[in-house]
Amino acid sequence: KQEVTQIPAALSVPEGENLVLNCSFTDSAIYNLQWFRQDPGKGLTSLLLIQSSQREQTSGRLNASLDKSSGRSTLYIAASQPGDSATYLCAVRPTGFQKLVFGTGTRLLVSP
Amino acid sequence: SAVISQKPSRDICQRGTSLTIQCQVDSQVTMMFWYRQQPGQSLTLIATANQGSEATYESGFVIDKFPISRPNLTFSTLTVSNMSPEDSSIYLCSVDKGGRETQYFGPGTRLLVL
Repeated sequence: KQEVTQIPAALSVPEGENLVLNCSFTDSAIYNLQWFRQDPGKGLTSLLLIQSSQREQTSGRLNASLDKSSGRSTLYIAASQPGDSATYLCAVRPTGFQKLVFGTGTRLLVSP
Repeated sequence: SAVISQKPSRDICQRGTSLTIQCQVDSQVTMMFWYRQQPGQSLTLIATANQGSEATYESGFVIDKFPISRPNLTFSTLTVSNMSPEDSSIYLCSVDKGGRETQYFGPGTRLLVL
């Protein structure tokens, strides 16, 4: 059974810092991995999708990497801003399945 | 991309009653998914709904408690039946565009059962 864990559970940083969020999964047989952002009381916004054959994806200040063999992904946020404050979720799509398996989330607070 | 709307956005219900949540997508999709996010928890898949067939439920979820309809390729409903306070959660509709690619989520329905 695929399990996804995110560390840290919560993170508080001052504005301008670069930061890394971690995601680990127990079964390397995945089709892809997706990072989401969830604002309080809101739905999920897709940030980045990495296919199993890819090593990383970039969008603006965000960079996500994937090491499938070790079961790890990281989300790098450069020059953090207060507007980045949200919960960040990673989710893997196991090979052969349509559904996503979600991690526990990292709650990020960026202070001005 | 996909634009997904859900109704209602939130509701407060009495135990023993039922609530039907609607999900509308701006384009035709083959598969629609219903997730539950309990307070302080991550998302758990309830069921997968294909048009014209019975929904497929995950372990721990049953059709009598969470009946789902999928009358066409842009719409689905999830009913939370005979509600109890343990059903208080955010319920999210999701679609998969282009087959196993980026998955998009609706804004969610926040349900509080008293």
